[in-house]
Amino acid sequence: DAKTTQPNSMESNEEEPVHLPCNHSTISGTDYIHWYRQLPSQGPEYVIHGLTSNVNNRMASLAIAEDRKSSTLILHRATLRDAAVYYCILRASGTYKYIFGTGTRLKVLA
Amino acid sequence: NAGVTQTPKFRILKIGQSMTLQCTQDMNHNYMYWYRQDPGMGLKLIYYSVGAGITDKGEVPNGYNVSRSTTEDFPLRLELAAPSQTSVYFCASSPGLAGGHTSTDTQYFGPGTRLTVL
Repeated sequence: DAKTTQPNSMESNEEEPVHLPCNHSTISGTDYIHWYRQLPSQGPEYVIHGLTSNVNNRMASLAIAEDRKSSTLILHRATLRDAAVYYCILRASGTYKYIFGTGTRLKVLA
Repeated sequence: NAGVTQTPKFRILKIGQSMTLQCTQDMNHNYMYWYRQDPGMGLKLIYYSVGAGITDKGEVPNGYNVSRSTTEDFPLRLELAAPSQTSVYFCASSPGLAGGHTSTDTQYFGPGTRLTVL
C-alpha cells in the first residue's frame, strides 16, 4: 500500500488560510488522494478527494502537484470548528480499504 | 436519516469476557467496515463487508469476528477480551460504485464505541 507523510501538527490563526501538506512519493497512476478529518471525540468525516486535477468543494480545496508526489489541502478561512486531525490517504483503484496514517493535528488560534 | 449508529457508546470488560459491538446504517450502503483507533494513532481496519453474507479480513482481524446477515447491520464480536483490545471502535459504511470502481467511494463513520478491557 502506498504511504503518505504528513507533519504531526500545525497551527493557524482564525480566519486565515491553512495549507496542510501531504507527501506521497510512491503513488501509482490509479491511486486517488483522499482527505478525511476527525473532530475531537468523533469519527472521521470526508473532506475531499482527487486524482490529477485540483478540486474544490464547499469545505476545502485540494491542490495536486503535477507529478502527483505531493498534495495540499487548503482551508480558505480557518475557524475554531476546523480544529481536528486531518488524514491524507491514498486509495488504490479496485480496493475497498483506507490505510490511515497518524495525520496532522490542526490547532486554530482565536 | 440517522446515518451510521453504534451501540454501546462506552463499555468496560473484564479480561476473558465477550461482547458484541452493534453497527447499523440506514443509507442502504453495500459496503461496511470496522476500524479500531488506539490513542494518538490513526485508524486500522479490522474487517469489512461488500454485501450481505460477504466479509473479509482487514489489517488487524485477530481476536474479532463479524457477520453480515442484512444490508443494514454489521456486528463485531470480541471473544475472550484482552487488554490489547482497549481502543475506540468505529464502524463505517459506503455505497460502493458500479463496476467495482471504488477509488472515489466515500466512507461515512459512526460516532464510535470506547472499549476498556481491565
